[in-house]
Amino acid sequence: QKEVEQNSGPLSVPEGAIASLNCTYSDRGSQSFFWYRQYSGKSPELIMFIYSNGDKEDGRFTAQLNKASQYVSLLIRDSQPSDSATYLCAVLNAGNNRKLIWGLGTSLAVNP
Amino acid sequence: SQTIHQWPATLVQPVGSPLSLECTVEGTSNPNLYWYRQAAGRGLQLLFYSVGIGQISSEVPQNLSASRPQDRQFILSSKKLLLSDSGFYLCAWRRWGDFQETQYFGPGTRLLVL
Repeated sequence: QKEVEQNSGPLSVPEGAIASLNCTYSDRGSQSFFWYRQYSGKSPELIMFIYSNGDKEDGRFTAQLNKASQYVSLLIRDSQPSDSATYLCAVLNAGNNRKLIWGLGTSLAVNP
Repeated sequence: SQTIHQWPATLVQPVGSPLSLECTVEGTSNPNLYWYRQAAGRGLQLLFYSVGIGQISSEVPQNLSASRPQDRQFILSSKKLLLSDSGFYLCAWRRWGDFQETQYFGPGTRLLVL
């Protein structure tokens, strides 16, 4: 069974620090990788997607992909209390059945 | 720009009652549409997806059904709700032809079955 795993947390970081969120996946043929942020009681919102090995930066967010290790991460620089949320990792599985496989999410708390 | 709407925002229903949740998308044509459920403390569970009018694929056997009567309308229904149907129901859309399969979510409907 194709899986996406995340540490449930909570991950607690002080304001201004770098938060590092990790995700591993089992399907070696996975093609695209997504990070969503979900505030309590709200729907998930897309932060970033990445499909090539290496880093992709967008403002304070950097996604890192290592297909050989089947590992994708999200770094949040200069963490703010408003970054406190659950971060969901999703992976597009390979083949004709092109569906997103979701992790359970990591809860992040940024402490002022 | 594209907008996705869901209603109602919250719903409290007795066990055995019917259900109808609606999702509409504006600003795009021929989107792929998805229904997810997120139960308390659990991950996103894909329930149904649709690639076009009248085309529904079911992911999980259950007492729920979905319909797509119009290009940008997706409806989730049940004839008799169970306690286990409680959860946060999310509709999502994907732009047709988007290679990356990026999905965008609506605001969700929180359903409590008593």
